[in-house]
Amino acid sequence: AQKVTQAQTEISVVEKEDVTLDCVYETRDTTYYLFWYKQPPSGELVFLIRRNSFDEQNEISGRYSWNFQKSTSSFNFTITASQVVDSAVYFCALSERDNYGQNFVFGPGTRLSVLP
Amino acid sequence: DTEVTQTPKHLVMGMTNKKSLKCEQHMGHRAMYWYKQKAKKPPELMFVYSYEKLSINESVPSRFSPECPNSSLLNLHLHALQPEDSALYLCASSQPTGVNTEAFFGQGTRLTVV
Repeated sequence: AQKVTQAQTEISVVEKEDVTLDCVYETRDTTYYLFWYKQPPSGELVFLIRRNSFDEQNEISGRYSWNFQKSTSSFNFTITASQVVDSAVYFCALSERDNYGQNFVFGPGTRLSVLP
Repeated sequence: DTEVTQTPKHLVMGMTNKKSLKCEQHMGHRAMYWYKQKAKKPPELMFVYSYEKLSINESVPSRFSPECPNSSLLNLHLHALQPEDSALYLCASSQPTGVNTEAFFGQGTRLTVV
């Protein structure tokens, strides 16, 4: 069975600090997909990144970077020089590939508060 | 266009009412989903439609009835709901298979059952 753990329930930082959100996953599939989503107070889940199990390259997009390590089953997310607009709940998600659609399993989420 | 549109945004209904939630996407996705999200919890999968056929039903009570009239539309029919069904209902769409499998979500319908 697939499972996603986000050990940090809530994090508070002051603007311009760097912050890392942890994600650890469990799966028995050799092919799977990992995602990060942001959920601001408005409620919509905003897609941030997808990483396929066969691609361990880390990625940087502006102030965001992701560190995927299969050896430790982790997919951590770092925000550099955080801003107030980064305040939201962040979900890590896992999907095991099948032919009937994608069953996304979400972690419990980390609530990030960036204080001015 | 990565937009998934859900209507209505807010809904208050009585326990004897019948209502429907609607979802639309024009990204050519052939998988569509309904998720339920309670406050301070992650989204929980309810239903998945793949190529307009129901492929996953996560043991959802029959008072929730999904419908996929075509590849762009997804409905959720509600009948005889309970107050504990009050939640944010999120619709999403994605490609069902292949590499680019990220799901795009709508803004949700905040449902209150009174």
